[in-house]
Amino acid sequence: AQKITQTQPGMFVQEKEAVTLDCTYDTSDPSYGLFWYKQPSSGEMIFLIYQGSYDQQNATEGRYSLNFQKARKSANLVISASQLGDSAMYFCAMREGEGGNTPLVFGKGTRLSVIA
Amino acid sequence: AAGVIQSPRHLIKEKRETATLKCYPIPRHDTVYWYQQGPGQDPQFLISFYEKMQSDKGSIPDRFSAQQFSDYHSELNMSSLELGDSALYFCASSSHGEKLFFGSGTQLSVL
Repeated sequence: AQKITQTQPGMFVQEKEAVTLDCTYDTSDPSYGLFWYKQPSSGEMIFLIYQGSYDQQNATEGRYSLNFQKARKSANLVISASQLGDSAMYFCAMREGEGGNTPLVFGKGTRLSVIA
Repeated sequence: AAGVIQSPRHLIKEKRETATLKCYPIPRHDTVYWYQQGPGQDPQFLISFYEKMQSDKGSIPDRFSAQQFSDYHSELNMSSLELGDSALYFCASSSHGEKLFFGSGTQLSVL
């Protein structure tokens, strides 16, 4: 079964607007971490934001915030004030277990295009 | 701040040749991970090492092997290369189960 589901293969957003990239996850482990990465056309994998399953507040990092809804098992990424440089592939990923070294499992990704 | 260093950045090989990819994790990170990302695909986990011992194993072909050395750098060895091995290979490192940081990747092309 797919552990991470990203239902939007592609998204378009106008420059300066906000955009939400969807991510749902599936796990029976009470302890897990959720990650978002950005992969521009250059290929590098850039860490954006992290949310732990026990974190009470939604994570924020600059223009990125994670809308964590634990009961719905969703961890949507919100990008505010989109910029042309935000055009990239975005991957949601999950690691199960607390403080462990288990590998990340990735979703299929969402390609975001920011339009001027 | 120091990042994960991978070499080479690009590699071109013929079928049935061997390739060695190198990874230098962020200093004091205790875990190294290897991922393979095919064109248009999501990264697939291959193998990981915790404190120089193999930790988890994913979809790594038998033709591939990896190890982590005493200085914590890691190498992914790939033999009998096939066309389907053409992909972007990432190394990532983390410390005490925290965030994973990725290197820039090695783009392997098998001709």
